[in-house]
Amino acid sequence: AQSVTQLDSHVSVSEGTPVLLRCNYSSSYSPSLFWYVQHPNKGLQLLLKYTSAATLVKGINGFEAEFKKSETSFHLTKPSAHMSDAAEYFCVVTKYNTDKLIFGTGTRLQVFP
Amino acid sequence: SQTIHQWPATLVQPVGSPLSLECTVEGTSNPNLYWYRQAAGRGLQLLFYSVGIGQISSEVPQNLSASRPQDRQFILSSKKLLLSDSGFYLCACTRGQTSSGNTIYFGEGSWLTVV
Repeated sequence: AQSVTQLDSHVSVSEGTPVLLRCNYSSSYSPSLFWYVQHPNKGLQLLLKYTSAATLVKGINGFEAEFKKSETSFHLTKPSAHMSDAAEYFCVVTKYNTDKLIFGTGTRLQVFP
Repeated sequence: SQTIHQWPATLVQPVGSPLSLECTVEGTSNPNLYWYRQAAGRGLQLLFYSVGIGQISSEVPQNLSASRPQDRQFILSSKKLLLSDSGFYLCACTRGQTSSGNTIYFGEGSWLTVV
């Protein structure tokens, strides 16, 4: 069965420092993976997605993620955090041969000035 | 791209009262539609999905139901709300299967508090 594990429920960084949000997946097939961001009381916005093309995926707002099959990871990174990056981030994997998404439990990113 | 409208944005309802949350989609035809619930401090749980008018699949047994009376309209309902129905409800849509890498788009969400 497919699943995702977000290894940190909370991450705190200072503005201008790098961001790393960790996600490991479990899948018996080549998955499609997504990162979504949710600002307070808002819907979810797609940051980026991996669909078996390039393993390094660039998304919006300077975020990127690297698909590493050997490590079953899809960590989200950004070189320099902005205050506006403070939000909840979800790693998502598609369920095999269905149209259903499996969400991680989320990582709350705090950015301090 | 698709635009998803959800209403109401916020709702406070007493236990035992009915519920109707509505979602409409613009910018696409024949979308796949979803209702998700996000309970406080937890991830998203898929409640219902629909691949066409009148076609509803339920993911988990619960106190809620869904209907799709029109191609781009998806309604979440309950006859009698429970306290455990409180949460943030998100409508979403895709064109084609997400397993093929198609993006799923989300509405702004509806906050439901059952008191």
